[in-house]
Amino acid sequence: GAGVSQSPSNKVTEKGKDVELRCDPISGHTALYWYRQRLGQGLEFLIYFQGNSAPDKSGLPSDRFSAERTGESVSTLTIQRTQQEDSAVYLCASSPHGGRGGEQFFGPGTRLTVL
Amino acid sequence: AQRVTQPEKLLSVFKGAPVELKCNYSYSGSPELFWYVQYSRQRLQLLLRHISRESIKGFTADLNKGETSFHLKKPFAQEEDSAMYYCALMGSSYKLIFGSGTRLLVRP
Repeated sequence: GAGVSQSPSNKVTEKGKDVELRCDPISGHTALYWYRQRLGQGLEFLIYFQGNSAPDKSGLPSDRFSAERTGESVSTLTIQRTQQEDSAVYLCASSPHGGRGGEQFFGPGTRLTVL
Repeated sequence: AQRVTQPEKLLSVFKGAPVELKCNYSYSGSPELFWYVQYSRQRLQLLLRHISRESIKGFTADLNKGETSFHLKKPFAQEEDSAMYYCALMGSSYKLIFGSGTRLLVRP
């Protein structure tokens, strides 16, 4: 079946504008994660959704960042008033159950460039 | 604090040579360790996890709790092994903590 998909693949925006990034997880996967990868660095955890539980937002860098998930399907990551330091690749991953040891399946990422 | 350290940004070896990609972690509990790989123009994917004790594409990794390491090894590197390799730790909260990655370049 289809893997995790993300859109857009690339986004160029001006400083101060809002952006919305979308993630479609693998059907049936209850857990969904967002990560950020800055150039030359590893992935940084942003937020985690598991079923109907309250999301773990501990990785969101500021209140300009927010994310939503509709049931166990699509998720959107919104960045308000973008700054140049927000430029990065934003990766989404999903997992069948989100438990320890579970494999996370990654999407292709959205490359965000803030001018 | 939970942390994963990959000290080498780039590792270059010749085809057929042994490979060891280093990974050290910091975690006070019982971690779960993973190696993820990203081949050119492909998405990040799981290579192996320590709880499976498996060998994937000739790669193995042993968790050494005394040295807090999870080094990735392969006895004979192949050109198709060239990729970015990320070591990752999962603690108690189900999120992955990634190292900064090591680029493996296998020369012909």
